Amino acid sequence: GAGVSQSPSNKVTEKGKDVELRCDPISGHTALYWYRQSLGQGLEFLIYFQGNSAPDKSGLPSDRFSAERTGGSVSTLTIQRTQQEDSAVYLCASSFGAGNSNQPQHFGDGTRLSIL
Amino acid sequence: QKEVEQNSGPLSVPEGAIASLNCTYSDRGSQSFFWYRQYSGKSPELIMFIYSNGDKEDGRFTAQLNKASQYVSLLIRDSQPSDSATYLCAVTGGGNKLTFGTGTQLKVEL
Repeated sequence: GAGVSQSPSNKVTEKGKDVELRCDPISGHTALYWYRQSLGQGLEFLIYFQGNSAPDKSGLPSDRFSAERTGGSVSTLTIQRTQQEDSAVYLCASSFGAGNSNQPQHFGDGTRLSIL
Repeated sequence: QKEVEQNSGPLSVPEGAIASLNCTYSDRGSQSFFWYRQYSGKSPELIMFIYSNGDKEDGRFTAQLNKASQYVSLLIRDSQPSDSATYLCAVTGGGNKLTFGTGTQLKVEL
């Protein structure tokens, strides 16, 4: 496929509900990243997957956040018991990996999450 | 101290001028440096990346890196109104996560 694909593009939900955000990386990219961008804030790293290695979860803000990547391709970011402060744009990026930090990351269009 | 610092702007330049965007970083172990352009309401788009000290040119864009001064810049020659956007500086160290600055808003005026 062309670029990184994310769905849904927009999600509005009530506080306390669970949400799932999906990311389909660029074909051939083995590394996948989740970031979030809150209004007026910079991009904040959440989690990183590389091949079959254990993910780097160091950026997840709380245990309400989790992510998985099945089959080394599509990833799902899950936020449980959503709070208003979770409102942000969630961005997925992918790159060629193999542990090389030089590889440029390419972003999807993001999911705009609004918690009422 | 923020890990990656950028002047938030806005930086206003006339059409046709050179726009100079600057970024400093705190981690001396940083290895890779990226510039992304982000239009309002859109996702970041990769513009340039640089790994070694010196200049790297791609069309109207030049990235400059000075590791001793922990400084990276982006020059945009012959600025166009379509260059008006927020420019994000991002850095990676030994790991793979990008650490972003908060971005500099560029306005190219007719």
